[in-house]
Amino acid sequence: NAGVTQTPKFQVLKTGQSMTLQCAQDMNHNSMYWYRQDPGMGLRLIYYSASEGTTDKGEVPNGYNVSRLNKREFSLRLESAAPSQTSVYFCASSRTRESYNEQFFGPGTRLTVL
Amino acid sequence: QKEVEQNSGPLSVPEGAIASLNCTYSDRVSQSFFWYRQYSGKSPELIMSIYSNGDKEDGRFTAQLNKASQYVSLLIRDSQPSDSATYLCAVPYQAGTALIFGKGTTLSVSS
Repeated sequence: NAGVTQTPKFQVLKTGQSMTLQCAQDMNHNSMYWYRQDPGMGLRLIYYSASEGTTDKGEVPNGYNVSRLNKREFSLRLESAAPSQTSVYFCASSRTRESYNEQFFGPGTRLTVL
Repeated sequence: QKEVEQNSGPLSVPEGAIASLNCTYSDRVSQSFFWYRQYSGKSPELIMSIYSNGDKEDGRFTAQLNKASQYVSLLIRDSQPSDSATYLCAVPYQAGTALIFGKGTTLSVSS
């Protein structure tokens, strides 16, 4: 099992460009999450999907959209990237919505917006 | 809006000592608390969950919860250099289908 995989690992964008961060899990988990992590700011929840077919906003959803493509995949889209979106992005999953506390994280995507 | 507060550190302890990491939270409704560990450049991993007042022990780790004071702590006994990491405190978000995290405390254990 690969667990939670994220692509790409690194990305550099120019202001105004768009991109999609991909996340997939092979653990048959129902719930998936997107976080961003900035120095001194901890992990901040962007969006989450408690189950296939549902998505909800987290603490910092502005400037992002998500798609729960199927049970395995949960993508994060930046429509018009801004320097403030420079961050490390983590995707995570949990077995059920009730086991939201035990999350398994991917390796992260390091995004720089110039 | 729930807030989870942690001292950013760094907290420095010598090998073999007890490291004490603290977390306070703003929401009196929170019933459960979680500690994640994150090594530098790596992803977070869950190391402890606590749901009721009092202590919970797991190996060298003890979580202590005081709901009246809205305070949760993590004690690491016999600290090892391999414990050097950032420790993140987390509480349930909204209806309890996601987590929000504190900013983390960086622990450095010197040999």
